[in-house]
Amino acid sequence: DAGVIQSPRHEVTEMGQEVTLRCKPISGHNSLFWYRQTMMRGLELLIYFNNNVPIDDSGMPEDRFSAKMPNASFSTLKIQPSEPRDSAVYFCASSFSSQGLGETQYFGPGTRLLVL
Amino acid sequence: AQSVTQLDSHVSVSEGTPVLLRCNYSSSYSPSLFWYVQHPNKGLQLLLKYTSAATLVKGINGFEAEFKKSETSFHLTKPSAHMSDAAEYFCVVSDRGAGTALIFGKGTTLSVSS
Repeated sequence: DAGVIQSPRHEVTEMGQEVTLRCKPISGHNSLFWYRQTMMRGLELLIYFNNNVPIDDSGMPEDRFSAKMPNASFSTLKIQPSEPRDSAVYFCASSFSSQGLGETQYFGPGTRLLVL
Repeated sequence: AQSVTQLDSHVSVSEGTPVLLRCNYSSSYSPSLFWYVQHPNKGLQLLLKYTSAATLVKGINGFEAEFKKSETSFHLTKPSAHMSDAAEYFCVVSDRGAGTALIFGKGTTLSVSS
């Protein structure tokens, strides 16, 4: 089992540029989560999908952030335009849930984003 | 509403001594409770999980946690710390009945000295 795969592992970009983070969940999992981790705010849930449908995006900081899940094996988190305050580690996690949430989530290694 | 409070932001122990990381939770329904560990520059790894079976849950690497409903606590313990245990630990709660996402505590950094 390859686990949750995220790419790129590191990203350095300049303010104003578009950034796209990618995630491949564990095969067979039907829920996918995007988190952001910073020293100041800790680990925050940005958005989660169940069966490819966005369920709760209340954690998405603003309109510059968008996420998609076109199929069960792929999701993207896009920031456009990026700002220095977006610098953080972004984690993707997946789980299998037969009755909603509360199930064990398996995390990817994260994407470390630095916006200059 | 659900919440989780990790009572210590930083815990320091000597190698070979016991570890206690404290966590209190608030939940309106029957909670699922988790402990995750994050080593430096790594992703989060599940240590253990409580769902409603035995109140004493055993996890990986010798860690265990006890669910105490009367105290709304889920403290993480290990009898003897190892240098490799140095990491950040997150207590996590989810209201299974409410069908909500995981709520993470702010984390406890465990330092282990030789």
